Amino acid sequence: DTGVSQDPRHKITKRGQNVTFRCDPISEHNRLYWYRQTLGQGPEFLTYFQNEAQLEKSRLLSDRFSAERPKGSFSTLEIQRTEQGDSAMYLCASSLVRPVLETQYFGPGTRLLVL
Amino acid sequence: ILNVEQSPQSLHVQEGDSTNFTCSFPSSNFYALHWYRWETAKSPEALFVMTLNGDEKKKGRISATLNTKEGYSYLYIKGSQPEDSATYLCAFLGQAGTALIFGKGTTLSVSS
Repeated sequence: DTGVSQDPRHKITKRGQNVTFRCDPISEHNRLYWYRQTLGQGPEFLTYFQNEAQLEKSRLLSDRFSAERPKGSFSTLEIQRTEQGDSAMYLCASSLVRPVLETQYFGPGTRLLVL
Repeated sequence: ILNVEQSPQSLHVQEGDSTNFTCSFPSSNFYALHWYRWETAKSPEALFVMTLNGDEKKKGRISATLNTKEGYSYLYIKGSQPEDSATYLCAFLGQAGTALIFGKGTTLSVSS
């Protein structure tokens, strides 16, 4: 399967714990995005990378959230000191950048439940 | 704040019925509109990327139209099948943006 993969698919944690999610994009894609979807809402943008550079962050991304893409390939999203409000589906997407922006291809998501 | 609205929120049809959904988006600074289909426990699947006013795209029994001047897009499904059951999301991309701005989706349920 050469699509976007995410790990883990599900995570249950206790409030105050740290969690880390991984995203492996389509191999030739140089852009990688993180989105979050809460119940009853559409996905909301968190941040994106072009190669290893993090170029944009949403106001939704509080200082407890950090994302990295160290070698311009896979990415990790860490949430420190989780809160119940962090419970959501975390989606990763990747795309190529050409003169015309390409479709963003999504992974299956990581569903986080904070107890 | 850019707002993308989808209607209806949910829809239940019988197998063989044709149906359509609406996506409303800002008519200014338009760059592209994306449609995705998201089945439970799967990745959102890209259906269409639409950029030109008046554009019509088709994929099997699914088609979409785009009106950028008035800021809406319609998604049509002809002869719905149970496997069409999913949430259909539209997402707006502005000229200055890189992030997709999603609507809340329309959840379609097709009974056999």
